Amino acid sequence: AQSVTQLDSQVPVFEEAPVELRCNYSSSVSVYLFWYVQYPNQGLQLLLKYLSGSTLVKGINGFEAEFNKSQTSFHLRKPSVHISDTAEYFCARYAGGTSYGKLTFGQGTILTVHP
Amino acid sequence: DADVTQTPRNRITKTGKRIMLECSQTKGHDRMYWYRQDPGLGLRLIYYSFDVKDINKGEISDGYSVSRQAQAKFSLSLESAIPNQTALYFCATSDGLAGPNNEQFFGPGTRLTVL
Repeated sequence: AQSVTQLDSQVPVFEEAPVELRCNYSSSVSVYLFWYVQYPNQGLQLLLKYLSGSTLVKGINGFEAEFNKSQTSFHLRKPSVHISDTAEYFCARYAGGTSYGKLTFGQGTILTVHP
Repeated sequence: DADVTQTPRNRITKTGKRIMLECSQTKGHDRMYWYRQDPGLGLRLIYYSFDVKDINKGEISDGYSVSRQAQAKFSLSLESAIPNQTALYFCATSDGLAGPNNEQFFGPGTRLTVL
């Protein structure tokens, strides 16, 4: 089954430090990947997505992710985090074939930014 | 106004009770989804509907049922609630013509507690 794995359940960082949230996916012919963010007491919203083309994807709020086919990874990065980035982040992939139209989510990574 | 709304936002109920969670959307999307979120498990798909006459089970449909009353409305029912159905429930929508560009738009969630 197509899957995504988020390697860290919690990531604490200090404000203005860089951060990387890790996501690995199971290999398949076509891969479409997403990062969603869930702020406290809110639903999920899309940060960025990789469908094709450039492997470096830029999203909202200064986040970016790099699609790495050889390492089957799609890690999310930000060079300098803010307190307001405290949230839970989910990596997801679009499932084609018999699972057409669905998303499979990773387990989530809670990012906590400390002053 | 929010594009995807869920009612109620919070609900406490007792074991054995029938519960209905409702979702409405104004985005004009034909696809709707119900997920549950549990700590450390990410989001898991309960049911999804690609149009009013097309309803499909997700990975954890046991103990749940759904009704697609109209394009804009998708309800989730727990016929006889049990404590391990205590979770955060999300409704989501997406555009059926989008293919892999399948951004899903989420409601704010319903926190359900079964005592």
